[in-house]
Amino acid sequence: GAGVSQSPSNKVTEKGKDVELRCDPISGHTALYWYRQSLGQGLEFLIYFQGNSAPDKSGLPSDRFSAERTGGSVSTLTIQRTQQEDSAVYLCASSFPGVNSPLHFGNGTRLTVT
Amino acid sequence: GESVGLHLPTLSVQEGDNSIINCAYSNSASDYFIWYKQESGKGPQFIIDIRSNMDKRQGQRVTVLLNKTVKHLSLQIAATQPGDSAVYFCAENGYNQGGKLIFGQGTELSVKP
Repeated sequence: GAGVSQSPSNKVTEKGKDVELRCDPISGHTALYWYRQSLGQGLEFLIYFQGNSAPDKSGLPSDRFSAERTGGSVSTLTIQRTQQEDSAVYLCASSFPGVNSPLHFGNGTRLTVT
Repeated sequence: GESVGLHLPTLSVQEGDNSIINCAYSNSASDYFIWYKQESGKGPQFIIDIRSNMDKRQGQRVTVLLNKTVKHLSLQIAATQPGDSAVYFCAENGYNQGGKLIFGQGTELSVKP
């Protein structure tokens, strides 16, 4: 596709359940990012993958959050034992390598934990 | 810690007027800045970027100004249109941030017809 694709677009889950969010980056983009956006707030950095380097996990809020990127392309963000405070929009972005490359965002997954 | 923030949380302008959205940053090591536009229900959309070796950059109807002395960034939108209504975020990609973008809280721009 032409842009970053995220699925599902909406996810409602019960407290305590695990969820998986998927991101398909733009072809050729070696950098991939996950951000979280609470209602009316800015974007909170979660994790960053760059090529084959070890990911920067410094933004993950707890050990219930994890992410992987298989084959340098598709990424999955997993939240275990979801809590109500996990409710937010989870945004994925990709870019070419280099600190001066703009990020291209998907439309996000809106997660609601009931 | 270091952060990027915005002076004005909301801005209301008349259609056809020029808009100016401001942003302050605190990381003196930042060397790359980006403005994003986010419409409701969508991800942020790249508008324009600027490197720290520049103080001005122009795009189509938009201009970004960088004042490194006072660590200030602004986005100017000429002849603002209803379609410009959105939340605007500034972001920095600091040299010592390992590649990740740090975003400000956002300014909501409302254009009155």
